[in-house]
Amino acid sequence: EIVMTQSPATLSVSPGERATLACRASQGISSNLAWYQQKSGQAPRLLIYGASTRATGIPARFSGSGSGTEFTLTISSLQSEDFAVYYCQQYSDWPPAYTFGQGTKLEIK
Amino acid sequence: QVHLVQSGADVKKPGSSVKVPCKASGGTTNKYAINWVRQAPGQGLEWMGGIIPFFGVAHYAHKFQDRITITADESTRTTFMELSSLRSDDTAVYYCARDLGFEEFLGYFDYWGQGVLVTVSS
Repeated sequence: EIVMTQSPATLSVSPGERATLACRASQGISSNLAWYQQKSGQAPRLLIYGASTRATGIPARFSGSGSGTEFTLTISSLQSEDFAVYYCQQYSDWPPAYTFGQGTKLEIK
Repeated sequence: QVHLVQSGADVKKPGSSVKVPCKASGGTTNKYAINWVRQAPGQGLEWMGGIIPFFGVAHYAHKFQDRITITADESTRTTFMELSSLRSDDTAVYYCARDLGFEEFLGYFDYWGQGVLVTVSS
C-alpha cells in the first residue's frame, strides 16, 4: 500500500497570506495525485488532479505542483472560505488501491 | 447538474451487515465509476472500493476485500455498498463519490454524496 504523509498537521496562516501544504508518497506515483478540501460537516471537494490541474470551478489561487514522491498545494492569498482541512490522495495503483493522506488543517492565525 | 443522494443515518449491532444506497441523478450516466469513501469520527478519508455500474465490475481495497460488496441497479441508477461483520470501528460517515473518468477508473472524484453516518453499537 502506498502511504501518503501530509505536513504539517495544522497550519496557521493569516487571511491574505500564502499557504503551502505538503504531501509525500511512500513510493513514486508520477503525477497521479489529487487534492481535496473538506469543511466541517461537508463532503470533500475536488480541487486539483494530475498533481497540477485545477478541477472545474476552482479559483486560480489554488495551485498544485510536484511529481514522483513530493507534492505541494499552494493557496496564494487566503480567503476566509479557504480555512478547512485539506487531503491529498494518490491514484497510482492498478487495480485501484487509492489512499489518502491524514489531512492538514488550515486555520486562521 | 449531477447529484448523488444518500439516505439517512443507520445504527447497527456488531456482527451485522449494512447496505448503503447511493442514487445518481442529473447529468451523469452509469458509465462513470461510483466509489465509496468512509470517514471515522474526527479522522481522515479511506477509500473502500468502486464500481462502474454499466460494466458491473467492482474493485475493493485490500483491507475490506473479505467483507465488502459493491453492486449497482442500473434501472434505478442506484449503487449499493454492503459491509458485513460490522465492528465498532466501522462507525463512520460513508460517502459515495463519482469518478471523473468515463468508462474507466481515473481515481479522482468530482461529485460526492452528502454522506450517511453508520453507527455500530451494541
